[in-house]
Amino acid sequence: EADIYQTPRYLVIGTGKKITLECSQTMGHDKMYWYQQDPGMELHLIHYSYGVNSTEKGDLSSESTVSRIRTEHFPLTLESARPSHTSQYLCASSRPFQGAYTEAFFGQGTRLTVV
Amino acid sequence: AQKVTQAQTEISVVEKEDVTLDCVYETRDTTYYLFWYKQPPSGELVFLIRRNSFDEQNEISGRYSWNFQKSTSSFNFTITASQVVDSAVYFCALSEAQRGAQKLVFGQGTRLTINP
Repeated sequence: EADIYQTPRYLVIGTGKKITLECSQTMGHDKMYWYQQDPGMELHLIHYSYGVNSTEKGDLSSESTVSRIRTEHFPLTLESARPSHTSQYLCASSRPFQGAYTEAFFGQGTRLTVV
Repeated sequence: AQKVTQAQTEISVVEKEDVTLDCVYETRDTTYYLFWYKQPPSGELVFLIRRNSFDEQNEISGRYSWNFQKSTSSFNFTITASQVVDSAVYFCALSEAQRGAQKLVFGQGTRLTINP
């Protein structure tokens, strides 16, 4: 069972508020990721990190920002939430790459609603 | 650019029927990885299988089996004797694993409903 935790699970917030979605993993994985899942189910990579002090933008442009100060922690921040940010956000981490064997472990997600 | 297509948006079958979820992918890379994930109503993504581009062996795990064919760029998933607990959204995904990072490109997902 994966040890990756996201908080909160559900969040309803007003437009213009600043929010931070938390993601922590206890597996010592160096790679971490944020995916956004729209109501139509599709998942898109919005941020990833190779390790501490590394952050990269994913395939889908996002107004959110991330930081990676500690290996186990990869928070996502929205400075000013808008209704278009309403979505589910899934955090993941992956094992160090060893040959052909690697997989990503996912948290349970944060379902964000901006009203 | 990489792309994954799951042609079936929704499938509904009666329990004990066999069901196949289709997945077709596009990539220019010679080394890549294919995955299937299950997303139950609780929301997390559960890893089911990984296959690398050099390994075209089909795999069977209990009631689940996977058919990987590079010639048709397909990685289909079959559930035999389906059960109600199999109801979930299933995602096929592709990764090129740059610098060891598993940047997944997902298909649109197939919502599978198994009726008792």
